[in-house]
Amino acid sequence: KNQVEQSPQSLIILEGKNCTLQCNYTVSPFSNLRWYKQDTGRGPVSLTIMTFSENTKSNGRYTATLDADTKQSSLHITASQLSDSASYICVVSAGTGGFKTIFGAGTRLFVKA
Amino acid sequence: GAGVSQTPSNKVTEKGKYVELRCDPISGHTALYWYRQSLGQGPEFLIYFQGTGAADDSGLPNDRFFAVRPEGSVSTLKIQRTERGDSAVYLCASSPEGGNEQFFGPGTRLTVL
Repeated sequence: KNQVEQSPQSLIILEGKNCTLQCNYTVSPFSNLRWYKQDTGRGPVSLTIMTFSENTKSNGRYTATLDADTKQSSLHITASQLSDSASYICVVSAGTGGFKTIFGAGTRLFVKA
Repeated sequence: GAGVSQTPSNKVTEKGKYVELRCDPISGHTALYWYRQSLGQGPEFLIYFQGTGAADDSGLPNDRFFAVRPEGSVSTLKIQRTERGDSAVYLCASSPEGGNEQFFGPGTRLTVL
């Protein structure tokens, strides 16, 4: 069964600190993996996209890694800001067209001053 | 338009009623997706359009749910005989032809009383 599991479920950190969110998946055939940020009451916004051959991708203070062998990904946030408080969702696309998407439940991040 | 728009932003209805939710994708995007997101969960795939046709409707929970995209742009998600369990945020996303990234709208929050 195609699944995406994220950990931790929620996380509280102090402003300025770093954190790492985890994503494990069992999706086949793998097409790509994306990390989204979803603010409360808004639709998800894409942070990074990685295909099978990519093992790291950065977007400002966000760095995603992908290990296709172990089927694990991580999202590292550097020097967190209050505006980073949101849900971070790992999404894996399957199939040759990559359109069948499986979403993780997300990690809820709270950044406190 | 500049982004994906969805209307209405909020819809409150009574059990048993019929509702229509509208999605305006980014101009020129050929792929359109509908998702349902319950509180604290990641989005759940409902249906995917490529142009005017539904390429994959395997996520529709039952025959009360139906979606159309008659001209290959705007899409309408239709729910008949609504039930309290249908209450959720319904998200729409679009992507360009051959693109991996999905651009999400803000969602429609449906509440069935």
